[in-house]
Amino acid sequence: AQSVTQLDSHVSVSEGTPVLLRCNYSSSYSPSLFWYVQHPNKGLQLLLKYTSAATLVKGINGFEAEFKKSETSFHLTKPSAHMSDAAEYFCVGGSQGNLIFGKGTKLSVKP
Amino acid sequence: KAGVTQTPRYLIKTRGQQVTLSCSPISGHRSVSWYQQTPGQGLQFLFEYFSETQRNKGNFPGRFSGRQFSNSRSEMNVSTLELGDSALYLCASSLDPGTGVNTEAFFGQGTRLTVV
Repeated sequence: AQSVTQLDSHVSVSEGTPVLLRCNYSSSYSPSLFWYVQHPNKGLQLLLKYTSAATLVKGINGFEAEFKKSETSFHLTKPSAHMSDAAEYFCVGGSQGNLIFGKGTKLSVKP
Repeated sequence: KAGVTQTPRYLIKTRGQQVTLSCSPISGHRSVSWYQQTPGQGLQFLFEYFSETQRNKGNFPGRFSGRQFSNSRSEMNVSTLELGDSALYLCASSLDPGTGVNTEAFFGQGTRLTVV
């Protein structure tokens, strides 16, 4: 069975500084991994997905994630945080019809 | 293209009652999944429907049920409501090319159910 663990429940950064949201996965086979974002009172939006075609995955709004099999990690990064990035981020595994969500990381961005 | 539509957006029910939530997927999407989101448990998978058949099921009691119609619209029903059923219920739809390749799941804005 696949599982995902988000290592931080809350991350706070200043506007313009880098963002790092950490996610580890466990899977006995090649995993399917995604990052979703949820803004307050909004639904979930896909940021990016790992399809095994490339280990560095680029997503929307300047986010990217690197799949590292040796470390079983799929951390989400962004070079420069913007105020509009403040939201909750979910690392997700599983298949399209049965997604397995991490507990979420709340990102705060200070002006 | 219209997104995933969930109705109603907000609902208040009394313990012991039952409730039905509705989800209209994106046109052409045949897979519809339901998730429960609570502060304590996070996002948990309820079930998935494809071509009017339940294809996957999460670890929820039998009080939680669903169905899918021929136009892919789906409903979720919760009977004998408990206080702990208060949550945001999210529906997601996706294409199902049948190739085993994961495609994006598009989420609705959810139905916030409050049980009093």
